[in-house]
Amino acid sequence: GENVEQHPSTLSVQEGDSAVIKCTYSDSASNYFPWYKQELGKRPQLIIDIRSNVGEKKDQRIAVTLNKTAKHFSLHITETQPEDSAVYFCAVIGAGSYQLTFGKGTKLSVIP
Amino acid sequence: EAGVVQSPRYKIIEKKQPVAFWCNPISGHNTLYWYLQNLGQGPELLIRYENEEAVDDSQLPKDRFSAERLKGVDSTLKIQPAELGDSAVYLCASSPTWTSGYNEQFFGPGTRLTVL
Repeated sequence: GENVEQHPSTLSVQEGDSAVIKCTYSDSASNYFPWYKQELGKRPQLIIDIRSNVGEKKDQRIAVTLNKTAKHFSLHITETQPEDSAVYFCAVIGAGSYQLTFGKGTKLSVIP
Repeated sequence: EAGVVQSPRYKIIEKKQPVAFWCNPISGHNTLYWYLQNLGQGPELLIRYENEEAVDDSQLPKDRFSAERLKGVDSTLKIQPAELGDSAVYLCASSPTWTSGYNEQFFGPGTRLTVL
């Protein structure tokens, strides 16, 4: 089955700095790559996603890049704010599959 | 639009007792998922329903776990008997009928189960 590795497991940044979280996956046929944000005690919420036919997608301060050859994708958060503090999960869906395989998460702390 | 609803939000039980979790998906979403989330980990799929049919239950421990979605809307996940290792958050998610393979899954708030 699909294997997703996510790094780092924890990340602390100063407010205003950028944060980058990276995930690698094993199945080259995977074609959908969402990122979820989960605040403490709350539900995971989709913040951005990318399809396999796109290399980069941006939504305000959040961007995701995909390198299909290397089988990795990254979340970039610019101008971080304290409310960005949460656990971020990457996930992957394989071709013809419904199953989301999640990474183990990255706990982001933005220090005011 | 109302989101995915789950109840209860918290449940504390003694080991060997039964427990049930309920989920109401977003209206019109035919696909329903149950996930298990252990502390510090990402969600792991237990079972997926398309309408009332369980189309993927390969990761559901069938000796003690069962699920149903009788009318293709609400779903119940049951554990009987519960074990200490079942302590976790049980998340329900739903998505529209798959047409392109790129469906966002909407998660409920989860039920945090503690087995003593």
